[in-house]
Amino acid sequence: DVKVTQSSRYLVKRTGEKVFLECVQDMDHENMFWYRQDPGLGLRLIYFSYDVKMKEKGDIPEGYSVSREKKERFSLILESASTNQTSMYLCASISTGSIRGTDTQYFGPGTRLTVL
Amino acid sequence: DQQVKQNSPSLSVQEGRISILNCDYTNSMFDYFLWYKKYPAEGPTFLISISSIKDKNEDGRFTVFLNKSAKHLSLHIVPSQPGDSAVYFCAASARGRDDKIIFGKGTRLHILP
Repeated sequence: DVKVTQSSRYLVKRTGEKVFLECVQDMDHENMFWYRQDPGLGLRLIYFSYDVKMKEKGDIPEGYSVSREKKERFSLILESASTNQTSMYLCASISTGSIRGTDTQYFGPGTRLTVL
Repeated sequence: DQQVKQNSPSLSVQEGRISILNCDYTNSMFDYFLWYKKYPAEGPTFLISISSIKDKNEDGRFTVFLNKSAKHLSLHIVPSQPGDSAVYFCAASARGRDDKIIFGKGTRLHILP
């Protein structure tokens, strides 16, 4: 059973704080993704990584950075949190080449971040 | 520029009836389409997918139809059940190394008793 876990379900931070969101998957997947979900905007891709130490910008990378030091772990970093980064953050993973096969992208449970 | 569009933010359907969720896309390079279901405070879960070489895929109560010429796909749920109340995301991907999936904004489905 594929497991994608996220370090926190709920997080409250203050404006200007540095925030780390951790994601771990146990299926040896190469590709990992960070999305945010906002009402009326759906799921928007922030960053993704297709290998250790590799990263690519998604659609809304501004204000975020990522780290992929180990295959199973993909971290999202908010260098200086702002109120417009209050959102639900979702991590996902998938193995390379399997997107058109029987596997699909697996999501973590999400982290609801509130920035005050 | 939204490549995957779900034009109905919400939909209400009577229990037992058919629910039809629609999705349009603009990128002709998309060759794989997925539907995800999401409950509040949970991550999305995969529901059903379809490759561009097919025009229909069925899994139990769920059927996805793809009309490539119209760049349109739809998800049919029949019969609709209370547990189907959720947000449904349409998603698409194009051939390429990054396996990026583009999501629509979602449609909230309410199943009425």
